[in-house]
Amino acid sequence: DAGITQSPRHKVTETGTPVTLRCHQTENHRYMYWYRQDPGHGLRLIHYSYGVKDTDKGEVSDGYSVSRSKTEDFLLTLESATSSQTSVYFCAISEIGVHTEAFFGQGTRLTVV
Amino acid sequence: AQSVTQLDSQVPVFEEAPVELRCNYSSSVSVYLFWYVQYPNQGLQLLLKYLSGSTLVKSINGFEAEFNKSQTSFHLRKPSVHISDTAEYFCAVRDSGYSTLTFGKGTMLLVSP
Repeated sequence: DAGITQSPRHKVTETGTPVTLRCHQTENHRYMYWYRQDPGHGLRLIHYSYGVKDTDKGEVSDGYSVSRSKTEDFLLTLESATSSQTSVYFCAISEIGVHTEAFFGQGTRLTVV
Repeated sequence: AQSVTQLDSQVPVFEEAPVELRCNYSSSVSVYLFWYVQYPNQGLQLLLKYLSGSTLVKSINGFEAEFNKSQTSFHLRKPSVHISDTAEYFCAVRDSGYSTLTFGKGTMLLVSP
């Protein structure tokens, strides 16, 4: 398995509170991604990074921010969590070269109550 | 913009029967295509991929997919399924020149005895 660790694996939080999810990789891959998975929607890209401090928005970026201060860490922050952000969040990594596949972490199940 | 359509949200099948999971994509440029599998409460694992060359690609566990450029399809097939193949399957596309994967909504394969 690719060396990707997501933390926490499960979290319950209250509406309006800030939440940060962490993705840590040991593969030294350039690209890192955050996806959310919801029934009937598949996986949708939130944000991605193509290098330290280089990030871009995905399809469903509203309400989320990211940071990448080190190659190995990619943080996803929900500034003020809402119930619509209840989801399973997956981090993925890929190497330089746009044809290569992405490797996925085990996911973080976030519930906003 | 790239998009992926998985025509069936759920495919029930009996053990040892053949199965086809359908995937169509929309893209105006050269593409790279992937099938991922997700077992319950796990992350996504790459099943197979098409980058170039032979249009028929195979996985180590008996699945195969054929890239059909004229029909913009990348259907996944297996001649004889096992109970252990029960999982959700995602088709994904990456345009050449892009670093992000776009996923379909997934197809749940349900194999019963």
